[in-house]
Amino acid sequence: QVQLVQSGAEVKKPGASVKVSCKASGYTFTGYYMHWVRQAPGQGLEWMGRINPNSGGTDFAQKFQGRVTMTRDTSINTGYMDLSSLRSDDTAVYYCTRAAVAVTGGAFDTWGQGTLVTVSS
Amino acid sequence: DIQMTQSPPSLSASVGDRVTITCRASQSVRSYLSWHQQKPGKAPKLLIYAASSLQSGVPSRFSGSGSGTDFTLTISSLQPEDFATYYCQQSYTIPDTFGQGTKVDIK
Repeated sequence: QVQLVQSGAEVKKPGASVKVSCKASGYTFTGYYMHWVRQAPGQGLEWMGRINPNSGGTDFAQKFQGRVTMTRDTSINTGYMDLSSLRSDDTAVYYCTRAAVAVTGGAFDTWGQGTLVTVSS
Repeated sequence: DIQMTQSPPSLSASVGDRVTITCRASQSVRSYLSWHQQKPGKAPKLLIYAASSLQSGVPSRFSGSGSGTDFTLTISSLQPEDFATYYCQQSYTIPDTFGQGTKVDIK
């Protein structure tokens, strides 16, 4: 079955970086964009950006430009989200999700289980 | 960026009630609108895509309608497992944006 499995929870100090992984299975990895969405405690969903696993091309929300990097390794069907210069308000659950315009009009049809990133001194 | 505004922010309802949640976009998103359900501590789950298409495996009591700027999610007969927070999402243009959520709880 289609699955996205993320890496485990992280605790980081302010100013540090975090890298979250998302391993895809059950589908053709290069056939779907991988998006990253975060959710701060008690808050709503916030889109961070996306990567085209086929080309490696990326798009980011302006808020994260310069601080976020998204990469992929097609040999192991895994995407990565790297966020630098962490602040306390980056504390959130980070989700990977997939979308294909031709299939669901770009809706996110499968989500990872989420990775809690806590930023604290 | 396209702003998505949901109403109401929260509602209380009873099992068996018909529930309607609305989502308005600040500009047309055509039919590139989806609805997700999220339960506490869990990842969101896709219910409706392309404004009115039911995702595979989702009960038929969920339905979506609308196009352009105004959209509706309807639950025809609320079940105990439907108490959750619901989000609309536009995927018409980058950045994808979500509504602020509508929390449905037990009356």
